[in-house]
Amino acid sequence: GAVVSQHPSWVICKSGTSVKIECRSLDFQATTMFWYRQFPKQSLMLMATSNEGSKATYEQGVEKDKFLINHASLTLSTLTVTSAHPEDSSFYICSVIQTSGRHSSTDTQYFGPGTRLTVL
Amino acid sequence: SQQGEEDPQALSIQEGENATMNCSYKTSINNLQWYRQNSGRGLVHLILIRSNEREKHSGRLRVTLDTSKKSSSLLITASRAADTASYFCATRGNQFYFGTGTSLTVIP
Repeated sequence: GAVVSQHPSWVICKSGTSVKIECRSLDFQATTMFWYRQFPKQSLMLMATSNEGSKATYEQGVEKDKFLINHASLTLSTLTVTSAHPEDSSFYICSVIQTSGRHSSTDTQYFGPGTRLTVL
Repeated sequence: SQQGEEDPQALSIQEGENATMNCSYKTSINNLQWYRQNSGRGLVHLILIRSNEREKHSGRLRVTLDTSKKSSSLLITASRAADTASYFCATRGNQFYFGTGTSLTVIP
């Protein structure tokens, strides 16, 4: 399956600062990447879909000016949490979908290891 | 992006026993996938079952899918302490939707 990396794996920052998280697809080109956040003991919530060469698509309720997404190449998407606050503390996970064939019945989503953000 | 629910939310068993987790979803799907997540880590893809399949095996894992009931089950046989993790189902329709997860604890 696809190999996805994230950097950093954890970060602690002061309130008001910005934090950039990188997501890399290591072994195949991903025109689309996904960003999720996960609170403790909860499921993943899709934040946005990152599209290579175009604007990201944000889910309802996610502030696009706060969570800046840049998908500059087929292997790299970045999520920048701007002016972070303690309520932004969470586990952020990116993913890619590896397709095989024309039908989406075999599309498989592969996840990065996640980035733990703690805002003090 | 949540449309699935796992049942039970938490499960605790003895090593060697079988663990069964269920997942229900709401809309039509192309496939359903099960993932495992160790505490504080990313998700690991376990198995994919297509909407036209009813059962699939992979090692100690057995997945069933009943599209008429919009439900799936994941069976882990001969559980090990290392199987302790959270397990999520995710359905693939127009998007991926994740269930709420089952926290499995296997007691050595």
